[in-house]
Amino acid sequence: KAGVTQTPRYLIKTRGQQVTLSCSPISGHRSVSWYQQTPGQGLQFLFEYFSETQRNKGNFPGRFSGRQFSNSRSEMNVSTLELGDSALYLCASSSTRDRGDSPLHFGNGTRLTVT
Amino acid sequence: SQKIEQNSEALNIQEGKTATLTCNYTNYSPAYLQWYRQDPGRGPVFLLLIRENEKEKRKERLKVTFDTTLKQSLFHITASQPADSATYLCALPEGHGGSQGNLIFGKGTKLSVKP
Repeated sequence: KAGVTQTPRYLIKTRGQQVTLSCSPISGHRSVSWYQQTPGQGLQFLFEYFSETQRNKGNFPGRFSGRQFSNSRSEMNVSTLELGDSALYLCASSSTRDRGDSPLHFGNGTRLTVT
Repeated sequence: SQKIEQNSEALNIQEGKTATLTCNYTNYSPAYLQWYRQDPGRGPVFLLLIRENEKEKRKERLKVTFDTTLKQSLFHITASQPADSATYLCALPEGHGGSQGNLIFGKGTKLSVKP
């Protein structure tokens, strides 16, 4: 079974630009979560989607948004990029929301650098 | 709000010894707690889950304990090997019985096993 795939792996953008990151979950997984990882803050929850609906949202500004498609693939978008948005963005899928303790399966992330 | 503290940023041990990593949480006891391993440049990989009514869980050389009185989980790697060198993260749901999407993570402990 293929794992979680995130594209692109690396991205360099300029302040003020916007960026779209893509995530393909494990086949059959309907829940997709996004996290931002920085050395100072660690892993911070951005949002979670299940069956195309945003179920939970972390404490990030509205510049961070996401969506999920009918095939469970997900995208996140960051508009008006700031230097502080430089981070590793991780996507994770899980098999079910009925049992909340399902493990998260992470992709290897998109490394975003904002200059 | 719930906070997680992994008390050591880094832990250095000799090959063959037992590594013990600590995860403390500050607020209400979670319904479960998970441990992940993260290698440089990769996403976290799920290792073990322990539920609030379980005292201990084992998987091969790994052992996790959960003490709701102390608000603490311990993660042990016995007979450690250099290949165990990685960052280990603990994670728990933000609310009691909370959804998977609200999984919050500690900042991790970087384990180095010297030959």
